[in-house]
Amino acid sequence: DADVTQTPRNRITKTGKRIMLECSQTKGHDRMYWYRQDPGLGLQLIYYSFDVKDINKGEISDGYSVSRQAQAKFSLSLESAIPNQTALYFCATGGGMAGELFFGEGSRLTVL
Amino acid sequence: GENVEQHPSTLSVQEGDSAVIKCTYSDSASNYFPWYKQELGKGPQLIIDIRSNVGEKKDQRIAVTLNKTAKHFSLHITETQPEDSAVYFCAASKGFNTGNQFYFGTGTSLTVIP
Repeated sequence: DADVTQTPRNRITKTGKRIMLECSQTKGHDRMYWYRQDPGLGLQLIYYSFDVKDINKGEISDGYSVSRQAQAKFSLSLESAIPNQTALYFCATGGGMAGELFFGEGSRLTVL
Repeated sequence: GENVEQHPSTLSVQEGDSAVIKCTYSDSASNYFPWYKQELGKGPQLIIDIRSNVGEKKDQRIAVTLNKTAKHFSLHITETQPEDSAVYFCAASKGFNTGNQFYFGTGTSLTVIP
């Protein structure tokens, strides 16, 4: 089983719909992240959380919200999806001194 | 904030040749520079990293060099193989354990031609 699991892996939705992407991890890490990947733009940080009571905005948080339900769970919500939120979304965890991020396999979202 | 630029955006090499990907960063306070490899349909995976107190680090066929004065760092892959074909991302951070963010480059799509 993957250490960082994202659901759904693919989702097609319509403009204005609410969508939630979920992430769970078995690595025991405190830090969790949501990134967005667009072709030619690399990985942009949406939100990050260093523990259950800590939520921080990243570079591109507008139009998104998150919830850290437990140490192992971090969900990303689009309250009213719009077409320019069509992208590949990655959840990642990080912990320990090494500084390494561990990514999930991504959730491809298409907003029509 | 930090600005990380990565070049080239695409790179094709013959199997067995070397590949070099270069990144520059803007914030002199950045001190941790990881490289990630993303295979098709998968999430990025760390392949090598370097900290600012080191100029070069090597792991088998891959190496990373860092020039703090010029604020650039590079990934070197020698004796390339088809399985090296992937998208590679560089990143910079001012310190993972201080809670600082990772800033990623825009990626390099490497194709190794058999």
